[in-house]
Order: sequence, then C-alpha cells, then structure tokens
Amino acid sequence: ETGVTQTPRHLVMGMTNKKSLKCEQHLGHNAMYWYKQSAKKPLELMFVYNFKEQTENNSVPSRFSPECPNSSHLFLHLHTLQPEDSALYLCASRISGGATDTQYFGPGTRLTVL
Amino acid sequence: LAKTTQPISMDSYEGQEVNITCSHNNIATNDYITWYQQFPSQGPRFIIQGYKTKVTNEVASLFIPADRKSSTLSLPRVSLSDTAVYYCLVGDIGQGGKLIFGQGTELSVKP
Repeated sequence: ETGVTQTPRHLVMGMTNKKSLKCEQHLGHNAMYWYKQSAKKPLELMFVYNFKEQTENNSVPSRFSPECPNSSHLFLHLHTLQPEDSALYLCASRISGGATDTQYFGPGTRLTVL
Repeated sequence: LAKTTQPISMDSYEGQEVNITCSHNNIATNDYITWYQQFPSQGPRFIIQGYKTKVTNEVASLFIPADRKSSTLSLPRVSLSDTAVYYCLVGDIGQGGKLIFGQGTELSVKP
C-alpha cells in the first residue's frame, strides 16, 4: 500500500462509451500524475498537475481529459477511445519541491477498449 | 533529461547478490539518480535515490562513481520475490518531478 488508490482497478469499455478513472491520495502531496503503460513498454508520462494546475500535457490526444479538483483527487475522463488505448493507467503523487523525487504510484487501472 | 541505458534482462539465483548497472553519460550537474521496481500489473515502487558516492537503505545500495556517468543498483541476497523490472531514472528533482522511464531491466530470480 502506497497511500495512492485508483478506481476502478479494471475497466472494459466500447469505443463510444464515456468513462472516468479516479485517483486519490491522502499523503499531503501536491503534485499528481497520470501515466500510461502499454504491454511490454515503459511508462509514458501523460499529464502533470502541481498545486491543482496542469503543468504538463505530453501531447496526449483530446479523447483523454484530466481533471484535478483538489490536491487529493485526480480524474482521467475518457471518451471515444480506440483499441490501441488499452493499457494500464497509473496515477502517482509526490511532494512538489520536496527534497527527493519520490513518486508514489497507485495500483493502476487496467483498461480494455473493445 | 539525461538518457539512460540498462541491460534489458538479467537472470540470477536465490541468495545471490545482483548488480544492475545503468549508463547515463549526459547526466547534468543538478540531476539525481533514482531507481524504481515494478511488478507485473502494479505501479512502480521507489527503491533508492542518490547523487554521488554510495547510498544504502534497508532494501538496496546504490553506487555512483565520481564522474556520475553510470550507477549500479545492488540487491543483496535476492529472493524469488525480487523478480521484477527495475528502472533507472535520471533527472533534476526540482523540475516538477518529471520522470522519464526507459525500458528497464527485467530481473528473473530462479530457485
């Protein structure tokens, strides 16, 4: 247990569906991240939020829409996804400006797009 | 961000010491070296971080030579549960915590 939770853990959706992934941390961290990990590939950084403000969008398609209502919660809204978007989506958090670069990762959401 | 190079895979046996070396020739002055461990279908877990010389914690040791162009993660007496992918990352921890993950090293520990 890292203190970062993600729901749901597994999600199957059609290309026309709209769904949301949720990430929650109560570690007092103020930076939160979304990563995508496709099969047998390294993690790809998608979005970074510092103090609820988006500070990084790594050229992510608009069918992925992040939302950070407060420092403890992060959402990833999904719509009209493609089968190639099937992957493990990981959320992480850290102390922005902290003494170490320790990111705490959640368990991930395994997404399958049919 | 400095690029890192590590072996794609390594094999070991239970009880052995495992050393995984990472090359980062373009490491910058402000960059730190961080190692993460990832089990299948789980998020990466922080193992150790260092800037220079040697760092040791309850899990591993990190050796960094004076020129800092490489680093070695040392896992003492591995067990089957240490089978995982190990990532070496290099970056300025002050730059918004942006981590770039490479391919990592897939360590397989056999009985």
